[in-house]
Amino acid sequence: QKEVEQDPGPLSVPEGAIVSLNCTYSNSAFQYFMWYRQYSRKGPELLMYTYSSGNKEDGRFTAQVDKSSKYISLFIRDSQPSDSATYLCAIVNNFNKFYFGSGTKLNVKP
Amino acid sequence: KAGVTQTPRYLIKTRGQQVTLSCSPISGHRSVSWYQQTPGQGLQFLFEYFSETQRNKGNFPGRFSGRQFSNSRSEMNVSTLELGDSALYLCASSGGEDTQYFGPGTRLTVL
Repeated sequence: QKEVEQDPGPLSVPEGAIVSLNCTYSNSAFQYFMWYRQYSRKGPELLMYTYSSGNKEDGRFTAQVDKSSKYISLFIRDSQPSDSATYLCAIVNNFNKFYFGSGTKLNVKP
Repeated sequence: KAGVTQTPRYLIKTRGQQVTLSCSPISGHRSVSWYQQTPGQGLQFLFEYFSETQRNKGNFPGRFSGRQFSNSRSEMNVSTLELGDSALYLCASSGGEDTQYFGPGTRLTVL
């Protein structure tokens, strides 16, 4: 079993839609949770970072962590064509080792 | 602050050759991690260096090696290149706040 599972998509939505991206993880010892966005032919850029259960909001983006279910989500409100990218979840254990999901490719159609 | 830089950005090599990739982390960051990214396998962890010492290692063969210098710059070397080594190689630096910041990557093509 992989440490982190993420649906690869692709996910295609119309502009203005609410997007939900999800990851599940296997080890309850994981401490920190992140979402990265990666545009084609670029390196991943950090979008959101959290270490506790609950929601964290930043503009149109909301990161949600449910430690009891070992489930993390990223919601994008009012999605824009510029949000079209691959979104990677990342989870860090208490030895500072990073585990990445395989990435979900999102396409927002104008 | 300047971001993570990687050189070269693109590289074409032939099977059997070796290659060295370079990464300069964000100023003040002492941890540098290397990843291989391919469409089929996603982002796979190669190794992490902290203060010139390898701190973590992924499951890659010994042909993949790295090192870190006293100024935190890091190099990654792949010897005896195989076709399957064609990938985007990403470097990420960390300042200890449990986040990683990625460079633009080096796209390696092995012919």
